Amino acid sequence: AQTVTQSQPEMSVQEAETVTLSCTYDTSENNYYLFWYKQPPSRQMILVIRQEAYKQQNATENRFSVNFQKAAKSFSLKISDSQLGDTAMYFCAFTSANTGNQFYFGTGTSLTVIP
Amino acid sequence: DAGVIQSPRHEVTEMGQEVTLRCKPISGHDYLFWYRQTMMRGLELLIYFNNNVPIDDSGMPEDRFSAKMPNASFSTLKIQPSEPRDSAVYFCASSFVAFEQFFGPGTRLTVL
Repeated sequence: AQTVTQSQPEMSVQEAETVTLSCTYDTSENNYYLFWYKQPPSRQMILVIRQEAYKQQNATENRFSVNFQKAAKSFSLKISDSQLGDTAMYFCAFTSANTGNQFYFGTGTSLTVIP
Repeated sequence: DAGVIQSPRHEVTEMGQEVTLRCKPISGHDYLFWYRQTMMRGLELLIYFNNNVPIDDSGMPEDRFSAKMPNASFSTLKIQPSEPRDSAVYFCASSFVAFEQFFGPGTRLTVL
């Protein structure tokens, strides 16, 4: 079975600073995808970033980047130059074609950006 | 494309009533997922479909919950009879193969 673990229920960061959210996963699959989703107070789930397991290069999207450590099964999200609009719940997720494309989500990390 | 569309956005009903939530996935997507989100249990997968066929409904809490996907552009999640513990935000999401899931805005259900 696939599991996704986010060990930080809550985090805070000063505006303009950098913060890293942790995620670990467990799988026996070799080909899979990892995602970070953001859920602001509006509750809309928004994709932040995606990583394909076969790619060694870490994905980046503007101020968002990941540190993907396949051997360690770790997938952390770094947010640089934090902005007030980054305040949200962040979910890590996993999927694989061999698991029926079902998505497995972590329990989320609530991030607050402090002005 | 307008994205995943869910209706209604808010639903308030009384215990024992039937509730029907609706979802229109993104055109061309072959997977559709129904989730429930609560503070206590987080984001739970209820059921998902592939090409309109239910693949895994092991997350459906009990027989009071049922879901259908009569065609590629429409799905419903029905609760009958509803109970206060069903109060939650219900999300529909669609995806194409293993690419990202696109979520709808959710339906906030309150059962009094």
